[in-house]
Amino acid sequence: NAGVTQTPKFRVLKTGQSMTLLCAQDMNHEYMYWYRQDPGMGLRLIHYSVGEGTTAKGEVPDGYNVSRLKKQNFLLGLESAAPSQTSVYFCASSYEDRVSGYTFGSGTRLTVV
Amino acid sequence: AQSVTQLGSHVSVSEGALVLLRCNYSSSVPPYLFWYVQYPNQGLQLLLKYTSAATLVKGINGFEAEFKKSETSFHLTKPSAHMSDAAEYFCAVSRGGSNYKLTFGKGTLLTVNP
Repeated sequence: NAGVTQTPKFRVLKTGQSMTLLCAQDMNHEYMYWYRQDPGMGLRLIHYSVGEGTTAKGEVPDGYNVSRLKKQNFLLGLESAAPSQTSVYFCASSYEDRVSGYTFGSGTRLTVV
Repeated sequence: AQSVTQLGSHVSVSEGALVLLRCNYSSSVPPYLFWYVQYPNQGLQLLLKYTSAATLVKGINGFEAEFKKSETSFHLTKPSAHMSDAAEYFCAVSRGGSNYKLTFGKGTLLTVNP
């Protein structure tokens, strides 16, 4: 009963470095999402996917890229990290309906110095 | 367009007191509404949801919420606060049509004082 698993849980990057955050779900959910959470800002949607091989931009996509090569995985990439990308990142997944709601991962705390 | 407003970014109650967290929404279609809870250093977990069945919805840990269409509200309540209820609470609304994305409020931090 793993649900949504995010790796890594913590990471410190230097400005300009790149990294990939991995999200894996084992519930056969069609939809997956990446959010960032910052104090006082709530949750802001970065990118999302409505199925394998699809991706779409959310509210704050700049500086991030995503890929969904397999249904169960959704990767978030930072090509050239900036201090403004210091945040807690959450992945979520859901069925393709309005009633189920989302299942969230436990988050990745990223610090860019 | 859908939006969610949570009134009060921080609510403080005494242990045993009533908890009331406010959520108002705007939606051009009949909404589906959700409350999530986030304990420190954890992800969000679903507390309860309204999906057009009963207007009074019961969730986990003794929480409930009432959908009031006339007031466009979906406030979260619990009769008696417990120390373990200290967390951040998020209200969310789901769009209609083919777009199922949730729009989240900015959250309300609940502090429970002994």
